[in-house]
Amino acid sequence: EIVMTQSPATLSVSPGERATLSCRASQSVSSNLAWYQQKPGQAPRLLIYGVSTRATDIPARFSGSGSGTEFTLTISSLQSEDFAVYYCQQYNNWPPWTFGQGTKVEIK
Amino acid sequence: QVQLVESGGGVVQPGGSLRLSCVASRFTFSNYGMHWVRQAPGKGLEWVSFIRYDGGNEYYADSVKGRFTISRDNSKNTLYLQMNSLRVEDTAVYYCAKVLGRGALDIWGQGTVVTVSS
Repeated sequence: EIVMTQSPATLSVSPGERATLSCRASQSVSSNLAWYQQKPGQAPRLLIYGVSTRATDIPARFSGSGSGTEFTLTISSLQSEDFAVYYCQQYNNWPPWTFGQGTKVEIK
Repeated sequence: QVQLVESGGGVVQPGGSLRLSCVASRFTFSNYGMHWVRQAPGKGLEWVSFIRYDGGNEYYADSVKGRFTISRDNSKNTLYLQMNSLRVEDTAVYYCAKVLGRGALDIWGQGTVVTVSS
């Protein structure tokens, strides 16, 4: 099973600032890596798939990068609606499909 | 718009059973693999089960193997999760989700709450 580890657990950022979230896989997942956003009481929403491809209607301030085992989600200028929990997920080696434990982005 | 709607959650005693349903609309359901993912209170996302677009292959997390069964009826655009021998640790919000391409989950339902308690 591939273990996905996200850091930090919590990220405190001021509106307008840049946020950088990390995700590490226990072994290579090639480019089969996705990022999701989840707000309280809501279902997760796909942001990024294939490491760097934005999903439909996702703003350009969200970008993904990385390869192999190290990945990054960058939010270039945080808006109020971006404060949420973010999860990475690998879909390279399955089953199981595995998620990271999440990074909470909170208002500083 | 493209939509998934879950139902069937509720409160059940340990050892009991529930059947969750997920109805798809505004996309060709029979063309896509589907997942169930759950989230225990205050916790992260946990993958539960996957079924191929034609129902030909099923996969389960070790935590539910032998107790849960995923199925689908493409004529009714509906995904199911039969949950037997429920445990307290199965308490969670259960989401169904559609697969995009190689395996990202691009459409999620709103979730249905399952509570296992005596």
